[in-house]
Amino acid sequence: DAMVIQNPRYQVTQFGKPVTLSCSQTLNHNVMYWYQQKSSQAPKLLFHYYDKDFNNEADTPDNFQSRRPNTSFCFLDIRSPGLGDAAMYLCATSRDRDEQFFGPGTRLTVL
Amino acid sequence: GEDVEQSLFLSVREGDSSVINCTYTDSSSTYLYWYKQEPGAGLQLLTYIFSNMDMKQDQRLTVLLNKKDKHLSLRIADTQTGDSAIYFCAEIKGSQGNLIFGKGTKLSVKP
Repeated sequence: DAMVIQNPRYQVTQFGKPVTLSCSQTLNHNVMYWYQQKSSQAPKLLFHYYDKDFNNEADTPDNFQSRRPNTSFCFLDIRSPGLGDAAMYLCATSRDRDEQFFGPGTRLTVL
Repeated sequence: GEDVEQSLFLSVREGDSSVINCTYTDSSSTYLYWYKQEPGAGLQLLTYIFSNMDMKQDQRLTVLLNKKDKHLSLRIADTQTGDSAIYFCAEIKGSQGNLIFGKGTKLSVKP
């Protein structure tokens, strides 16, 4: 089945220790998104790639970076995680900035 | 307002209808979406409506759109315990086609 896959589902890291979250898709969609969702809040867009073009949201901290080495994969790198970065991280894809399909999310815990 | 607004909680009895309301912000939004999120999971697209429609029905789901008031609602007929989840309303906004979410309505279904 075509889908959006996120690994790992649960990630524990230490304060200040870099961490990478992974997203892959079999939908061959042009656009890949990363959202941060804190408890009881709406998902907040961090950035997205349209093909290889990177689009950063104005209020996304510099601590968050992303890479998209090919159409199928997109990574979220958190360079120095703080306690406030603990959240669910959701990856989504869309064919052309239209309907978005979400992965199951990675829950990040920062100790 | 600048935010997508939803009431935070709704409680219904099994078998009753549920109506979840949303007020969005951008009258030029082309598509409006309803997503469902079960505990610890990603977002599942339930249904969407194009802005030139005022109603869309899909099995137990009915979406009503009032463009003049920027009001969107989701009606779930014959609500089941499996419908218990958080429901997010979302609009497409801006030239980048970003999804802007409401804070979500937590639906509790009592047997």
